[in-house]
Formats: sequence, structure tokens, C-alpha cells
Amino acid sequence: KNEVEQSPQNLTAQEGEFITINCSYSVGISALHWLQQHPGGGIVSLFMLSSGKKKHGRLIATINIQEKHSSLHITASHPRDSAVYICAVRWGNQFYFGTGTSLTVIP
Amino acid sequence: GAVVSQHPSRVICKSGTSVKIECRSLDFQATTMFWYRQFPKQSLMLMATSNEGSKATYEQGVEKDKFLINHASLTLSTLTVTSAHPEDSSFYICSVDDRTAGNTIYFGEGSWLTVV
Repeated sequence: KNEVEQSPQNLTAQEGEFITINCSYSVGISALHWLQQHPGGGIVSLFMLSSGKKKHGRLIATINIQEKHSSLHITASHPRDSAVYICAVRWGNQFYFGTGTSLTVIP
Repeated sequence: GAVVSQHPSRVICKSGTSVKIECRSLDFQATTMFWYRQFPKQSLMLMATSNEGSKATYEQGVEKDKFLINHASLTLSTLTVTSAHPEDSSFYICSVDDRTAGNTIYFGEGSWLTVV
């Protein structure tokens, strides 16, 4: 089993702040996903990483394979970024999920 | 547009009845679909792996006779919660891997089940 830990569990930020969410896992993986879950429940995949760094708009995701650690950064945060962000690792044919980080961005 | 469609999004049923939730892959054929359950403020818990044309693979602790999974075609998997109890009330969500797109994962919109 792959243990996936996320931090922080809850995060409140002022609009415009730079936000970092961290994810660590216990066993080497083939890919790591960052997911966004909105209050209605639907989940969207933001990034899939196997190495290095990816950027999409104000979102940046990095992964350090040696340290088994990934970070999701949000620059110039906005209230519409408020959601639960989930780290998921693919290990073999299965996914293992972190417990999520609940982000609230205040105007 | 949506790649994976899940229906219904919300359902209320009486104890003892059965409820069917559908998961459709709209843009590609999916030999494998995954069913998850999520309790409030908790992470996704894999219930079972749905395999097209064969029996589903259930995770430990998930009753296969209670959560019936059928994957009769390459674009449709169904989860039927049989003899529903209030403790089955939860958020159920399916996902599909698109192995032709570098193992990108797509999720359905999810289904909120309330058993009264």
C-alpha cells in the first residue's frame, strides 16, 4: 500500500496570495495527479506528473521523485480557486489518494 | 465537454430498495472503470475495479453482493446499491483511465446517494 499524506488539511488565504499545498508518498510511483474537487463533488484532474514541473495558467505543480514529494502552487489566488485539492498517486494499476486540502480564498 | 458522464447526480431512496448509478465514457472506449466512495471530509476510497466483459474486482471489505457492478460494454459501467441502508448514504464517483492519452484520469460528476 502507498501512504499518501497531504498538508495542510485546511488553508484559508486572502485573494492574491501565493499558495502551496504539499504531498508526500511512501513508495515509488509511475505518476502523480493533482485533482480539484468543487463543493458539488465533481473532480477535475489538474496535472499528471512523473517528473519535473508543469504549469497551467496560475497553477504550477512540481515533483521530486527522489524525495517522494510533490507540491501544487497557486499564484495570485482567487476566490474561484476555493475547492478541495487532492493528491493521487498511481502505483501499479491502482490509485492512492491523499485526504485532500480544503482551500478557501477570501476576497 | 465531459469525458465521463455519471447519472444520476443526486438520488434519494428508501431503505431496502436498490439504486443504480451509471458511468459512461463518452470519448473513448474504457475496458476498465473504477468506482469510489467518499464520506464527508474524507478521501476517495476505491470500492471496485470494473472490467468490461468480466467480473469486477472488489476491494477488501466491500460486499460484492451489495454493490453490484456490471460493465457490459466498453462505454458503460453500472453500480447498483442493493437493499440500501442509511449507512450507504455517501458520494459515489467513477473514474476512467485514458491509456491512449498517457494514462490521463477522468472522473464522472459523482452521485450523491441519500437513503432514508
